[in-house]
Amino acid sequence: DAGVIQSPRHEVTEMGQEVTLRCKPISGHDYLFWYRQTMMRGLELLIYFNNNVPIDDSGMPEDRFSAKMPNASFSTLKIQPSEPRDSAVYFCASSFGAGQETQYFGPGTRLLVL
Amino acid sequence: DAKTTQPPSMDCAEGRAANLPCNHSTISGNEYVYWYRQIHSQGPQYIIHGLKNNETNEMASLIITEDRKSSTLILPHATLRDTAVYYCIVRVLTTSGTYKYIFGTGTRLKVLA
Repeated sequence: DAGVIQSPRHEVTEMGQEVTLRCKPISGHDYLFWYRQTMMRGLELLIYFNNNVPIDDSGMPEDRFSAKMPNASFSTLKIQPSEPRDSAVYFCASSFGAGQETQYFGPGTRLLVL
Repeated sequence: DAKTTQPPSMDCAEGRAANLPCNHSTISGNEYVYWYRQIHSQGPQYIIHGLKNNETNEMASLIITEDRKSSTLILPHATLRDTAVYYCIVRVLTTSGTYKYIFGTGTRLKVLA
């Protein structure tokens, strides 16, 4: 398996623009997680899905952030409008089950908002 | 939520054992301890996890104290490729009945030649 795939790997945009990050989980995994990593706050869970349904979005910072999972093989994280403080590395991870099962992380999308 | 405390950095000589400590004094009885590492700017990589018994796999060993308030990750023969940030994580059950990882700030391990 190719692992978790994220695109784009790098994104530079200007404040106010819409940003869409994409994730393809490992085939057969039924949980998908979005994380954000910054120097100040470390790794934070933003939202996660089970069987394409959002389960816990308590980590989503504000209404400018939204996430969808239209099918089992694709998810998006959208920021509209983007702000400089959104600059971070965004990771997607997937797992089969949410018990003891481990999460497999993608390579991340490095976002810079100018 | 249970929090973890780790030293910010450690050095280890190549070929020697690296022992990475973690305090999780507020952990609850059914909360697992996980260890992940992050090499440079890659995504975190799973290493090992446990509840109360010591665990070993091909990558590392995990020693959990009897009171479960702390644990130690052991890399038995560290190599230069083990240089990374190591995260001790507690997987908590939320009030909504879901599980989530609580990441600490991690230990930056530097393996020296």
